[in-house]
Amino acid sequence: AQSVTQLGSHVSVSEGALVLLRCNYSSSVPPYLFWYVQYPNQGLQLLLKYTTGATLVKGINGFEAEFKKSETSFHLTKPSAHMSDAAEYFCAVKRAGGTSYGKLTFGQGTILTVHP
Amino acid sequence: EAGVAQSPRYKIIEKRQSVAFWCNPISGHATLYWYQQILGQGPKLLIQFQNNGVVDDSQLPKDRFSAERLKGVDSTLKIQPAKLEDSAVYLCASSLGDRGRETQYFGPGTRLLVL
Repeated sequence: AQSVTQLGSHVSVSEGALVLLRCNYSSSVPPYLFWYVQYPNQGLQLLLKYTTGATLVKGINGFEAEFKKSETSFHLTKPSAHMSDAAEYFCAVKRAGGTSYGKLTFGQGTILTVHP
Repeated sequence: EAGVAQSPRYKIIEKRQSVAFWCNPISGHATLYWYQQILGQGPKLLIQFQNNGVVDDSQLPKDRFSAERLKGVDSTLKIQPAKLEDSAVYLCASSLGDRGRETQYFGPGTRLLVL
């Protein structure tokens, strides 16, 4: 079984400050890992994903995440927050093989607030 | 390209009534998913279709929820009868296939309130 834990349901930063959203996963097989962003009253939009290869993944809007197998982590970062980054962020894991491997298992989400 | 379309965007019903949601995936996407997102939680998969066949419906409450995907394109999700705890956002997503590395694209969701 897979699971995702996002540390901190709410994160608040000042505009221009570093954004760090934490995600730890549990998976019995090598995982594929995803970060999605959800703006109010909208669906989920993919920020970035890790499948294989380079463990530092760059995504849209200046976000990046690093897959650390030894720490079972996939933390999301952005060097300088913008007001437009205020949204809810979801980390998700998918099995890399086996049955039902299309299924995404999501964390509970982290609401990011950006203060001027 | 057009994204995943869903309707209606909002629905308010009373408990024990029935409701249906519609989803049109991205053209050419063989795999379609329905997720339930309860307030304050991440989305949870209800059902996954590959073309018009069900791949995974292990978390679908089959006594009240049903879903179909006609001709491997559009899909409908129905709740009958609705309960208060069904209040949630219902998200439809699609992907080219069901291999792990493929991206799932989400629609805007249908927000359901059961009174």
